[in-house]
Amino acid sequence: GEDVEQSLFLSVREGDSSVINCTYTDSSSTYLYWYKQEPGAGLQLLTYIFSNMDMKQDQRLTVLLNKKDKHLSLRIADTQTGDSAIYFCAESIQSGGYNKLIFGAGTRLAVHP
Amino acid sequence: DTAVSQTPKYLVTQMGNDKSIKCEQNLGHDTMYWYKQDSKKFLKIMFSYNNKELIINETVPNRFSPKSPDKAHLNLHINSLELGDSAVYFCASSQVGGLAEQFFGPGTRLTVL
Repeated sequence: GEDVEQSLFLSVREGDSSVINCTYTDSSSTYLYWYKQEPGAGLQLLTYIFSNMDMKQDQRLTVLLNKKDKHLSLRIADTQTGDSAIYFCAESIQSGGYNKLIFGAGTRLAVHP
Repeated sequence: DTAVSQTPKYLVTQMGNDKSIKCEQNLGHDTMYWYKQDSKKFLKIMFSYNNKELIINETVPNRFSPKSPDKAHLNLHINSLELGDSAVYFCASSQVGGLAEQFFGPGTRLTVL
């Protein structure tokens, strides 16, 4: 089946680390993605990880992938108020020779002083 | 230099009316998509076109008819609008293959009264 699950809310204090978790179902996904949606805007690709990697670091962002458990996480170090947004996990699934993205429900991150 | 643009940004209409949403991308991508985001922020793919050809058609009522006059445009026409059609509709585009990062438009908020 096609299913991506995430927790819906996360609240952190400014300067702390945020960890957003995601589980997916399709073990053949080539890429797994994290998208960010700010209020009133479209989604923007934040980072991604190739399925043969365990970890990817990009400045304040660290993505961890556990293929055995089909678990993906996004860690944001030194979280700032500007990081407040909805974060969507997505997996790519083959459909008729093309890829389609299946999104989780999104995790709303609230950063407070 | 907007990459993916949609018009209109807001659309308020009565039940039973027919309306269209337009999307254009200037990224030279071959593939375009329509997504629906409901009030709980859940994002689901509706359609995808590659070079004007329909490649993904999820379980969407046939009141929804996408049209792609050329690979830079993908419009969405909705007949006999219902209350449940109220949502934010996002257009996106990507290249085929590889990372296939999807670039999203700003969204069209449709309200059916």
